[in-house]
Amino acid sequence: GAVVSQHPSRVICKSGTSVKIECRSLDFQATTMFWYRQFPKQSLMLMATSNEGSKATYEQGVEKDKFLINHASLTLSTLTVTSAHPEDSSFYICSASRGGNQETQYFGPGTRLLVL
Amino acid sequence: DAKTTQPPSMDCAEGRAANLPCNHSTISGNEYVYWYRQIHSQGPQYIIHGLKNNETNEMASLIITEDRKSSTLILPHATLRDTAVYYCIVRALGGYQKVTFGTGTKLQVIP
Repeated sequence: GAVVSQHPSRVICKSGTSVKIECRSLDFQATTMFWYRQFPKQSLMLMATSNEGSKATYEQGVEKDKFLINHASLTLSTLTVTSAHPEDSSFYICSASRGGNQETQYFGPGTRLLVL
Repeated sequence: DAKTTQPPSMDCAEGRAANLPCNHSTISGNEYVYWYRQIHSQGPQYIIHGLKNNETNEMASLIITEDRKSSTLILPHATLRDTAVYYCIVRALGGYQKVTFGTGTKLQVIP
């Protein structure tokens, strides 16, 4: 299988600050990465799709100016939660795929964000 | 992506086979059936996927009906570590295709 890592695994920040979460594909090059958010006792909800070297595609209802996504290389995508508020507290998970047909997505371990 | 229907929860005795059903009656010809599981507070783990033939790997077996409208994930000898939420997902071809998660089945393996 393929390995996807996330950093940090958990972060606590004050309201109004920005937090950056990194997603890395460790043993493959990922042309496409996805960012999900999961609230307690709920399923994963897709936030956005990012392709290396191009702008991310956001799902309906996700504010692109609040959740900044950068996919500058084939092994790294970052999600920045700007001006975080307590309601942004959640479990953020990324996934990565090599691209091409039939390609499986592999998920990172997740980042737990708590905004005070 | 096609909608899937799974039972919200199931119990299975440790050491016995766990059979998790999934209905995907609107699946298209180019869509694969994927299974992932999520252990508490972790990211989803890929288990297995298939198009029309039955598939088996070191983790599980996937049985897809001939009409492809339903499938069953089989964990042959469930252990306590298999307790997780299992997601059945139908997804079109292409690594750029997003994965849409439903509510899944919460499998509880009982000692």
